[in-house]
Amino acid sequence: DTAVSQTPKYLVTQMGNDKSIKCEQNLGHDTMYWYKQDSKKFLKIMFSYNNKELIINETVPNRFSPKSPDKAHLNLHINSLELGDSAVYFCASSQGYHGYTFGSGTRLTVV
Amino acid sequence: AQTVTQSQPEMSVQEAETVTLSCTYDTSENNYYLFWYKQPPSRQMILVIRQEAYKQQNATENRFSVNFQKAAKSFSLKISDSQLGDTAMYFCAFMKLDNAGNMLTFGGGTRLMVKP
Repeated sequence: DTAVSQTPKYLVTQMGNDKSIKCEQNLGHDTMYWYKQDSKKFLKIMFSYNNKELIINETVPNRFSPKSPDKAHLNLHINSLELGDSAVYFCASSQGYHGYTFGSGTRLTVV
Repeated sequence: AQTVTQSQPEMSVQEAETVTLSCTYDTSENNYYLFWYKQPPSRQMILVIRQEAYKQQNATENRFSVNFQKAAKSFSLKISDSQLGDTAMYFCAFMKLDNAGNMLTFGGGTRLMVKP
């Protein structure tokens, strides 16, 4: 059983399109996150949800919108994709201060 | 805001030898957690080791150990008996204790190559 699963693993799309990345965790964790890893491997938080409530919303363009239908799911929708959105997007979950469990990442390529 | 600095962008080590990766951080908090994560070429982020700032004893997990110097705000990772499978990016990360979602702040990473 995969603890944190993201789909799709790879996404290639054209500029201007809208796409979604789905994330599900079966660990019973209360908090879920989206991180972006750029081409230099730098990891930066985008959003955090705790029990479906938005807790952290870093400086991210409005084109990015997270949605958490329940505690186990946190999806990321991106409108009007731009070349600069190309990156690896990681979903993660946590409970307390034990560190995160990460999904396997989604490599998004905008052409 | 917290910052995490990894001053070694790349390192290499011979198989079976020991290597130490450096990490420093800046915070005004007294209680926090520190982590090392490994990211092999598969891209998966794997938790290597965790240290609680209020514990003076350095954390150890098999061949991985840390040297936590709270006053110096330093948190280095030592890998003993390096194996080829240790080849990966290693990220140091900081988590402060509050209700703001337990955000992890990552350093820029160190790419480690283990040579046969």
